[in-house]
Amino acid sequence: KAGVTQTPRYLIKTRGQQVTLSCSPISGHRSVSWYQQTPGQGLQFLFEYFSETQRNKGNFPGRFSGRQFSNSRSEMNVSTLELGDSALYLCASSLVGGSSTDTQYFGPGTRLTVL
Amino acid sequence: AQSVTQLGSHVSVSEGALVLLRCNYSSSVPPYLFWYVQYPNQGLQLLLKYTSAATLVKGINGFEAEFKKSETSFHLTKPSAHMSDAAEYFCAVSDLNNDMRFGAGTRLTVKP
Repeated sequence: KAGVTQTPRYLIKTRGQQVTLSCSPISGHRSVSWYQQTPGQGLQFLFEYFSETQRNKGNFPGRFSGRQFSNSRSEMNVSTLELGDSALYLCASSLVGGSSTDTQYFGPGTRLTVL
Repeated sequence: AQSVTQLGSHVSVSEGALVLLRCNYSSSVPPYLFWYVQYPNQGLQLLLKYTSAATLVKGINGFEAEFKKSETSFHLTKPSAHMSDAAEYFCAVSDLNNDMRFGAGTRLTVKP
């Protein structure tokens, strides 16, 4: 079974631009979560989507948004990019989430550099 | 709010020596605890998880962790380190809302 895939793997943008990252979960998984990883702040939870609905949200500004499609694929958008948005963005999928028997499987990440 | 604290941002061991990576958690509800490993330029790979079925959890690559409620700890161990174990390790706690909180990570170096 194919793992979680994220595209693109690398991105370079300039301040003020916007960016869209894509995540394809493992087949059959309906929950997709997004995380930001930086050297200073570590791994921080952004949001989780299940059945096309945002079910949980971390403490990030409104510039960070996402959505999920009917095939469970998810996109994350960051508008008005700031230098501090440079990070590795990780996507994780799980069957349904919210279960002790469920496990999140992570993709390789998208490394975003903001100049 | 739930959280985890990893003691030691860097741990160095010799090949063949015991690996011990420390993690303490804080949670108001029974936690689900995880250890993940991250190799350079890669995502996170699940090593093992605790979901209250058994306090000693065995994972992949010879790692195991013991849940100790009285100490609020979930330390990761491996009896004999291998060069391929060099990576960054993350402890994490989650609740039923799938809101996973990670520790700051511990970078493991294995010396020949």
